[in-house]
Amino acid sequence: EADIYQTPRYLVIGTGKKITLECSQTMGHDKMYWYQQDPGMELHLIHYSYGVNSTEKGDLSSESTVSRIRTEHFPLTLESARPSHTSQYLCASSKTGLISEAFFGQGTRLTVV
Amino acid sequence: AQKITQTQPGMFVQEKEAVTLDCTYDTSDQSYGLFWYKQPSSGEMIFLIYQGSYDEQNATEGRYSLNFQKARKSANLVISASQLGDSAMYFCALPSNFGNEKLTFGTGTRLTIIP
Repeated sequence: EADIYQTPRYLVIGTGKKITLECSQTMGHDKMYWYQQDPGMELHLIHYSYGVNSTEKGDLSSESTVSRIRTEHFPLTLESARPSHTSQYLCASSKTGLISEAFFGQGTRLTVV
Repeated sequence: AQKITQTQPGMFVQEKEAVTLDCTYDTSDQSYGLFWYKQPSSGEMIFLIYQGSYDEQNATEGRYSLNFQKARKSANLVISASQLGDSAMYFCALPSNFGNEKLTFGTGTRLTIIP
Protein backbone atom coordinates (compact mmCIF):
# COMPACT_ATOMS: atom_id res chain seq x y z
CA GLU A 1 0.00 0.00 0.00
CA ALA A 2 1.32 3.40 -1.00
CA ASP A 3 2.20 5.86 1.76
CA ILE A 4 1.39 9.15 0.14
CA TYR A 5 -1.19 11.45 1.62
CA GLN A 6 -3.02 14.48 0.40
CA THR A 7 -5.05 16.94 2.44
CA PRO A 8 -7.69 18.12 2.23
CA ARG A 9 -9.64 15.56 0.20
CA TYR A 10 -12.28 18.12 -0.68
CA LEU A 11 -12.10 21.91 -0.59
CA VAL A 12 -14.68 24.51 -1.52
CA ILE A 13 -13.33 28.02 -1.36
CA GLY A 14 -14.20 31.52 -2.50
CA THR A 15 -12.59 33.40 -5.35
CA GLY A 16 -9.46 35.30 -4.40
CA LYS A 17 -8.49 33.14 -1.42
CA LYS A 18 -5.02 31.73 -1.02
CA ILE A 19 -4.92 27.97 -0.68
CA THR A 20 -2.27 25.33 -0.09
CA LEU A 21 -2.79 21.70 -1.00
CA GLU A 22 -0.66 19.40 1.11
CA CYS A 23 1.14 16.28 -0.08
CA SER A 24 3.38 14.07 2.03
CA GLN A 25 5.01 10.72 1.41
CA THR A 26 6.80 8.43 3.83
CA MET A 27 8.58 6.27 1.27
CA GLY A 28 11.70 8.44 1.01
CA HIS A 29 11.11 9.02 -2.70
CA ASP A 30 13.15 11.77 -4.31
CA LYS A 31 10.80 12.36 -7.22
CA MET A 32 7.42 13.99 -6.67
CA TYR A 33 4.76 15.26 -9.04
CA TRP A 34 1.53 17.24 -9.18
CA TYR A 35 -1.07 16.38 -11.80
CA GLN A 36 -4.30 18.21 -12.59
CA GLN A 37 -7.35 16.29 -13.76
CA ASP A 38 -10.71 17.65 -14.87
CA PRO A 39 -13.69 15.29 -14.36
CA GLY A 40 -13.59 12.32 -16.72
CA MET A 41 -10.46 13.57 -18.41
CA GLU A 42 -6.77 12.66 -18.55
CA LEU A 43 -4.18 13.82 -16.06
CA HIS A 44 -1.82 16.65 -16.96
CA LEU A 45 1.51 17.22 -15.23
CA ILE A 46 1.74 20.72 -13.75
CA HIS A 47 4.80 20.48 -11.45
CA TYR A 48 7.53 18.05 -10.55
CA SER A 49 10.56 17.81 -8.33
CA TYR A 50 13.63 15.59 -8.39
CA GLY A 51 14.58 16.30 -4.82
CA VAL A 52 14.98 18.95 -2.14
CA ASN A 53 15.15 22.47 -3.58
CA SER A 54 14.33 21.16 -7.06
CA THR A 55 11.07 22.25 -8.71
CA GLU A 56 10.12 22.37 -12.38
CA LYS A 57 7.01 23.28 -14.31
CA GLY A 58 5.20 20.51 -16.11
CA ASP A 59 3.62 20.28 -19.52
CA LEU A 60 0.42 22.09 -18.56
CA SER A 61 0.79 25.73 -17.62
CA SER A 62 -0.50 26.43 -14.14
CA GLU A 63 -0.77 29.52 -11.96
CA SER A 64 0.07 27.42 -8.93
CA THR A 65 3.49 27.22 -7.31
CA VAL A 66 5.24 24.45 -5.42
CA SER A 67 8.08 24.11 -2.97
CA ARG A 68 10.30 21.21 -1.86
CA ILE A 69 12.04 22.05 1.37
CA ARG A 70 11.85 18.52 2.75
CA THR A 71 12.03 15.24 0.88
CA GLU A 72 8.70 14.05 2.19
CA HIS A 73 6.68 17.22 1.62
CA PHE A 74 5.60 18.83 -1.69
CA PRO A 75 2.86 21.43 -1.13
CA LEU A 76 1.07 23.24 -3.94
CA THR A 77 -0.09 26.84 -3.47
CA LEU A 78 -2.56 29.02 -5.30
CA GLU A 79 -2.13 32.67 -4.29
CA SER A 80 -5.53 33.76 -5.54
CA ALA A 81 -8.02 31.03 -6.38
CA ARG A 82 -10.32 31.43 -9.36
CA PRO A 83 -13.23 29.31 -10.67
CA SER A 84 -10.97 28.16 -13.53
CA HIS A 85 -8.82 26.41 -10.90
CA THR A 86 -11.69 24.06 -10.08
CA SER A 87 -10.32 20.58 -10.71
CA GLN A 88 -8.87 17.51 -9.05
CA TYR A 89 -5.20 17.73 -8.04
CA LEU A 90 -3.25 14.50 -7.67
CA CYS A 91 0.15 14.22 -6.03
CA ALA A 92 2.51 11.35 -6.84
CA SER A 93 5.99 10.15 -5.99
CA SER A 94 8.45 7.64 -7.38
CA LYS A 95 11.86 6.36 -6.43
CA THR A 96 15.06 7.31 -8.20
CA GLY A 97 16.53 4.93 -10.71
CA LEU A 98 15.35 3.29 -13.87
CA ILE A 99 11.67 3.66 -14.48
CA SER A 100 9.49 2.72 -11.55
CA GLU A 101 5.81 3.22 -11.01
CA ALA A 102 4.50 6.43 -9.54
CA PHE A 103 2.46 6.13 -6.36
CA PHE A 104 -0.47 8.49 -6.17
CA GLY A 105 -2.29 10.12 -3.31
CA GLN A 106 -6.08 10.12 -3.17
CA GLY A 107 -6.32 13.58 -4.65
CA THR A 108 -7.82 16.89 -3.63
CA ARG A 109 -11.05 17.93 -5.30
CA LEU A 110 -10.95 21.72 -5.39
CA THR A 111 -14.00 23.84 -6.12
CA VAL A 112 -13.64 27.59 -6.36
CA VAL A 113 -16.91 29.50 -6.17
CA ALA B 1 6.35 14.66 -28.48
CA GLN B 2 4.74 11.72 -26.73
CA LYS B 3 1.16 10.84 -27.52
CA ILE B 4 -1.21 8.27 -26.06
CA THR B 5 -4.53 7.35 -27.66
CA GLN B 6 -7.31 5.43 -25.97
CA THR B 7 -10.19 5.11 -28.43
CA GLN B 8 -12.77 3.47 -26.16
CA PRO B 9 -14.43 6.10 -23.96
CA GLY B 10 -16.60 3.47 -22.28
CA MET B 11 -17.06 -0.27 -22.19
CA PHE B 12 -19.64 -2.56 -20.63
CA VAL B 13 -18.60 -6.13 -19.90
CA GLN B 14 -20.38 -9.04 -18.26
CA GLU B 15 -18.90 -10.21 -15.00
CA LYS B 16 -16.38 -13.07 -15.36
CA GLU B 17 -15.68 -12.28 -18.99
CA ALA B 18 -12.29 -11.11 -20.23
CA VAL B 19 -11.91 -7.55 -21.48
CA THR B 20 -9.31 -5.80 -23.62
CA LEU B 21 -8.71 -2.09 -23.23
CA ASP B 22 -6.94 -0.51 -26.19
CA CYS B 23 -3.98 1.83 -26.07
CA THR B 24 -1.82 3.09 -28.91
CA TYR B 25 1.15 5.35 -28.51
CA ASP B 26 3.57 7.48 -30.43
CA THR B 27 7.10 8.16 -29.30
CA SER B 28 10.41 8.95 -30.90
CA ASP B 29 12.35 7.25 -28.10
CA GLN B 30 14.16 4.02 -28.92
CA SER B 31 13.61 2.75 -25.39
CA TYR B 32 10.38 3.45 -23.58
CA GLY B 33 7.78 1.88 -21.36
CA LEU B 34 4.04 1.83 -20.87
CA PHE B 35 2.08 2.04 -17.63
CA TRP B 36 -1.53 1.20 -16.93
CA TYR B 37 -3.36 2.76 -14.01
CA LYS B 38 -6.83 2.20 -12.58
CA GLN B 39 -8.84 5.07 -11.12
CA PRO B 40 -11.92 4.05 -9.08
CA SER B 41 -14.64 6.56 -8.33
CA SER B 42 -12.82 7.45 -5.10
CA GLY B 43 -10.23 9.25 -7.23
CA GLU B 44 -6.86 7.69 -6.46
CA MET B 45 -4.68 6.26 -9.21
CA ILE B 46 -3.68 2.63 -8.71
CA PHE B 47 -0.71 1.20 -10.59
CA LEU B 48 -1.61 -2.02 -12.42
CA ILE B 49 1.17 -3.05 -14.75
CA TYR B 50 4.24 -1.83 -16.60
CA GLN B 51 6.22 -3.07 -19.57
CA GLY B 52 9.39 -1.75 -21.11
CA SER B 53 9.97 -1.79 -24.85
CA TYR B 54 13.04 -3.91 -24.24
CA ASP B 55 11.09 -6.67 -22.46
CA GLU B 56 10.91 -9.86 -24.50
CA GLN B 57 7.71 -11.24 -22.99
CA ASN B 58 4.40 -9.56 -22.29
CA ALA B 59 4.02 -8.48 -18.70
CA THR B 60 1.50 -10.16 -16.43
CA GLU B 61 0.32 -9.24 -12.92
CA GLY B 62 -2.37 -11.52 -11.59
CA ARG B 63 -5.47 -11.02 -13.74
CA TYR B 64 -3.83 -8.22 -15.70
CA SER B 65 -1.67 -8.73 -18.75
CA LEU B 66 -0.28 -6.51 -21.47
CA ASN B 67 -0.63 -7.33 -25.13
CA PHE B 68 2.36 -5.32 -26.28
CA GLN B 69 2.86 -5.05 -30.05
CA LYS B 70 5.73 -2.69 -30.80
CA ALA B 71 5.33 -2.80 -34.59
CA ARG B 72 1.76 -1.59 -34.20
CA LYS B 73 2.67 0.73 -31.31
CA SER B 74 -0.06 -0.73 -29.17
CA ALA B 75 -0.09 -1.82 -25.54
CA ASN B 76 -3.52 -3.19 -24.77
CA LEU B 77 -4.51 -4.17 -21.25
CA VAL B 78 -6.25 -7.51 -20.86
CA ILE B 79 -8.25 -8.21 -17.71
CA SER B 80 -9.22 -11.83 -17.32
CA ALA B 81 -12.27 -13.03 -15.37
CA SER B 82 -13.60 -9.54 -14.71
CA GLN B 83 -15.07 -8.68 -11.32
CA LEU B 84 -17.50 -6.01 -10.18
CA GLY B 85 -14.62 -4.25 -8.45
CA ASP B 86 -12.93 -3.75 -11.81
CA SER B 87 -15.45 -1.04 -12.67
CA ALA B 88 -13.32 2.11 -12.92
CA MET B 89 -11.48 4.42 -15.29
CA TYR B 90 -8.38 2.92 -16.85
CA PHE B 91 -5.51 5.05 -18.10
CA CYS B 92 -2.57 4.17 -20.27
CA ALA B 93 0.51 6.34 -19.70
CA LEU B 94 3.88 6.89 -21.35
CA PRO B 95 6.91 8.48 -19.68
CA SER B 96 8.03 11.68 -21.38
CA ASN B 97 11.41 10.09 -21.95
CA PHE B 98 13.00 6.89 -20.86
CA GLY B 99 14.18 6.88 -17.28
CA ASN B 100 11.75 9.62 -16.40
CA GLU B 101 8.41 9.21 -14.70
CA LYS B 102 6.86 12.39 -16.04
CA LEU B 103 3.85 10.67 -17.50
CA THR B 104 1.71 11.52 -20.51
CA PHE B 105 -1.74 10.02 -19.99
CA GLY B 106 -4.40 8.92 -22.43
CA THR B 107 -7.98 10.11 -22.08
CA GLY B 108 -8.97 6.88 -20.36
CA THR B 109 -11.60 4.18 -20.74
CA ARG B 110 -14.50 3.89 -18.31
CA LEU B 111 -15.08 0.19 -17.72
CA THR B 112 -18.37 -0.98 -16.22
CA ILE B 113 -18.77 -4.58 -15.16
CA ILE B 114 -22.34 -5.85 -15.36
CA PRO B 115 -23.46 -8.48 -12.82
